Amino acid sequence: AQTVTQSQPEMSVQEAETVTLSCTYDTSESDYYLFWYKQPPSRQMILVIRQEAYKQQNATENRFSVNFQKAAKSFSLKISDSQLGDAAMYFCAYTGNFGNEKLTFGTGTRLTIIP
Amino acid sequence: DTGVSQNPRHKITKRGQNVTFRCDPISEHNRLYWYRQTLGQGPEFLTYFQNEAQLEKSRLLSDRFSAERPKGSFSTLEIQRTEQGDSAMYLCASSRDRDPYEQYFGPGTRLTVT
Repeated sequence: AQTVTQSQPEMSVQEAETVTLSCTYDTSESDYYLFWYKQPPSRQMILVIRQEAYKQQNATENRFSVNFQKAAKSFSLKISDSQLGDAAMYFCAYTGNFGNEKLTFGTGTRLTIIP
Repeated sequence: DTGVSQNPRHKITKRGQNVTFRCDPISEHNRLYWYRQTLGQGPEFLTYFQNEAQLEKSRLLSDRFSAERPKGSFSTLEIQRTEQGDSAMYLCASSRDRDPYEQYFGPGTRLTVT
């Protein structure tokens, strides 16, 4: 079974600084997708960024980028120029199921932005 | 897109009662997922529909749980004889065939069983 591990329950960063959230996963599949989702307090989950395992290039979405290390099964999220609106729970997620793209989530990292 | 909607947003019920939640996916999305999220945890997969067909159920979904998606539009999740352990946030997500990897989540229904 696939597992996703987020070892940082909480992180904090000064506004405008850069922070990196860690995620590791375990799978025996060669083709899969990885995601970072953001869940602001009392608001719905939003997809931040995704990475296809077959792509060597790391995904980037504006201030958000990932460091995907396939051999190490590591998938970290870097947030640059942190803003107050980035405060949220961040979940790393995996899917390797084609035809049923159900997501396996980690336990999340709560990110606090310090003004 | 008007987004995925879920009703009710909050439900408090007594142990042993039945509850039903509704999810309305984004209109052209034919894939629909239910997840359960307990405090301090990430969401866990419960069940998946493609159109009206329920294609997979997690073993987390005991026989007290049933989900339907008549006509491939909205979906309902019913819990019979609720237990305190059913207290959680129930999330619905939808996606479309041409991009099944982008799931759009609803705001969830928070269930409290007293």
